[in-house]
Amino acid sequence: EVQMVESGGGLVQPGGSLRLSCAASGFTFRSYEMNWVRQAPGKGLEWVSYISSNGYTIYYTDSVKGRFTISRDNAKNSLYLQMNSLRAEDTAVYYCARDGQLWFFDIWGQGTMVTVSS
Amino acid sequence: QSALTQPASVSGSPGQSITISCTGTSSDVGSYNHVSWYQQHPGKAPKVMIYDVNKRPSGVSSRFSGSKSGNTASLTVSGLQAEDDADYYCCSYSASSTLVFGGGTKLTVL
Repeated sequence: EVQMVESGGGLVQPGGSLRLSCAASGFTFRSYEMNWVRQAPGKGLEWVSYISSNGYTIYYTDSVKGRFTISRDNAKNSLYLQMNSLRAEDTAVYYCARDGQLWFFDIWGQGTMVTVSS
Repeated sequence: QSALTQPASVSGSPGQSITISCTGTSSDVGSYNHVSWYQQHPGKAPKVMIYDVNKRPSGVSSRFSGSKSGNTASLTVSGLQAEDDADYYCCSYSASSTLVFGGGTKLTVL
């Protein structure tokens, strides 16, 4: 079964850091580009970051540039999102999403909640 | 990276058809055919319904169809069913290799 499971969410103070993980299974992880997408409580979806299958090409939405770092370990079938200098507006459910190889998201994890609050 | 514009809500009765619009700019929807649509039920992860403007993934009902004209993409749901009651989001590839979502549309099946 193709699936992705996120972990690492939680409550963190403003200015703090958190590292999210996404464990993939059921498909050849190293062959797919991956993304992080987030959704603030009661709000819409927001694309956060993209990483190519080999990890060499990376993109971010403007609001997280310089604060978030996407990475992957193909040997461990895992995707990561290092989040530093967290702000209240980063509070959201964070989903890892597989790129369907045509700039769309074909498989989604169940999400992990990140709450930034003092 | 401004969000695409969708109506906040649409509604229809079972069996009817509805269309949700998604308006962008010449930097995203107008320039690329990488427009996708996602269905999201409360508390659940999104599910892709349409990609590349009008392609349906395997397993998605043929009642869902997509189109595009200029800077506006559209999702049509025909033969509305109770299970179609959900939030719908459009998404487009954009210049500078980013992706942008619409604000979302709440579809209510009356």
